[in-house]
Amino acid sequence: DIQLTQSPSFLSASVGDRVTITCRASQGISSYLAWYQQKPGKAPKLLIYAASTLQSGVPSRFSGSGSGTEFTLTISSLQPEDFATYYCQQLNSYRLTFGGGTKVEIK
Amino acid sequence: EVQLVESGGGLVKPGGSLRLSCAASGFTFSNAWMSWVRQAPGKGLEWVGRIKSKTDGGTTDYAAPVKGRFTISRDDSKNTLYLQMNSLKTEDTAVYYCTAATPTIYYYGMDVWGQGTTVTVSS
Repeated sequence: DIQLTQSPSFLSASVGDRVTITCRASQGISSYLAWYQQKPGKAPKLLIYAASTLQSGVPSRFSGSGSGTEFTLTISSLQPEDFATYYCQQLNSYRLTFGGGTKVEIK
Repeated sequence: EVQLVESGGGLVKPGGSLRLSCAASGFTFSNAWMSWVRQAPGKGLEWVGRIKSKTDGGTTDYAAPVKGRFTISRDDSKNTLYLQMNSLKTEDTAVYYCTAATPTIYYYGMDVWGQGTTVTVSS
C-alpha cells in the first residue's frame, strides 16, 4: 500500500499566520491527492482535490500544490474557524490511504 | 440537499456481525463511487473500502485489515449503501463514515460525507 507521511503532526499557530502542511507519498501518485479538514466530533470535509483544485465553497485562503510524491496544503491567513485536524488522502492506487493527520491549534 | 445518513451501528461482541446502511439523497447515487471510512477513538482516518458505480463495473476494493471479513454492496433502486461486517474484532471499534465521490472527482477525492455511526466491539 502507498504510505502518506504528513508533517508536522502538530502545529501551533496564531490567527493571521501563514500555515503550510506537507504530505509525502511513498511512491509517485501523480495528482491523485485530496485534503480534508476535520473538526472535533464532526465528519471530515473536502477542501482540495486533484492536489490543487479548490472544492466549491471552500475559502480561497486554502490552496494545494504538488505532484508525484510531495504535496503541500497552505492556509494563507489562518482564521479562528481553521483550527482543526487536516488529512491528506491518495487515490492513485486501488487501495486508498490517508496520512496520519496534522492538528492545527491556537498558539 | 446533498446528504448521506448512516445507520446500524451499535455494540457487538468479538466474532459477531453487524450491517451498516447509508441512505443517500440530493445527488445521483447510481453514478457515485461510494466508500466507507472509519476512525477509531482518538485516531486518524482509515479507508475501509469502496464500490464503484455499476456503469464503471460495480467493482469493490478493500483495505487489508478488513478484506475477507467486510463486504460492501449497493442498492441503486433504494439509493442505499451497505457494509456487512463479519468476524468483528475489538480493533474494528470506530466511527464509520459513508462517503461519496461524484463523477467529476471520482479519482481525486470524496466530496460527500455522512455524519458517521459508531460501532463498538467489546465483550
